[in-house]
Amino acid sequence: NAGVMQNPRHLVRRRGQEARLRCSPMKGHSHVYWYRQLPEEGLKFMVYLQKENIIDESGMPKERFSAEFPKEGPSILRIQQVVRGDSAAYFCASSPRPTSDYEQYFGPGTRLTVT
Amino acid sequence: DAKTTQPPSMDCAEGRAANLPCNHSTISGNEYVYWYRQIHSQGPQYIIHGLKNNETNEMASLIITEDRKSSTLILPHATLRDTAVYYCIVRGPGNTGKLIFGQGTTLQVKP
Repeated sequence: NAGVMQNPRHLVRRRGQEARLRCSPMKGHSHVYWYRQLPEEGLKFMVYLQKENIIDESGMPKERFSAEFPKEGPSILRIQQVVRGDSAAYFCASSPRPTSDYEQYFGPGTRLTVT
Repeated sequence: DAKTTQPPSMDCAEGRAANLPCNHSTISGNEYVYWYRQIHSQGPQYIIHGLKNNETNEMASLIITEDRKSSTLILPHATLRDTAVYYCIVRGPGNTGKLIFGQGTTLQVKP
């Protein structure tokens, strides 16, 4: 059973470009969470999605960031017009249930560098 | 979800047991205690979780006090590869399942 997959593992973008980060959850998991870790800081929740629905986006910046989890295919975190402050590691996690008695499993992350 | 307090750093000798404490004095009856770790810059790794009873798996043991206000993660025979930041997280129902990470404990295993 493959774990959570994220690609690309490293992404370099110039300021103003768009970044697309992909996350394929573990088999059988329909709940996806995205977290961001800024350099030398802790992990911060961004958004929680189920298939075709955004359930909790309380941690998402209000502008330039969006996320989706279509019926088919991976979850996508999209950052438009990237700025240097977006440079960070972005992790996704998946779970079979969103309830507090089920653990989340994390992917290896995508390291975004904005030049 | 209840807030947790962990020491910022700890050392442990290789081969010895590592005991990582966590205080969660405001935990409520239906909240679970979770432990994750992050080795260098890798994705967080799930270790163990529990509600009331002590738990053990192939990685670690979780000891929860009777009043549930604190817990201890035990790595029975620490190796150099266990050097990581360890996070104690309390999760309850109704928060959509998101994990709230604190600063964690940086465990340094020394030869």
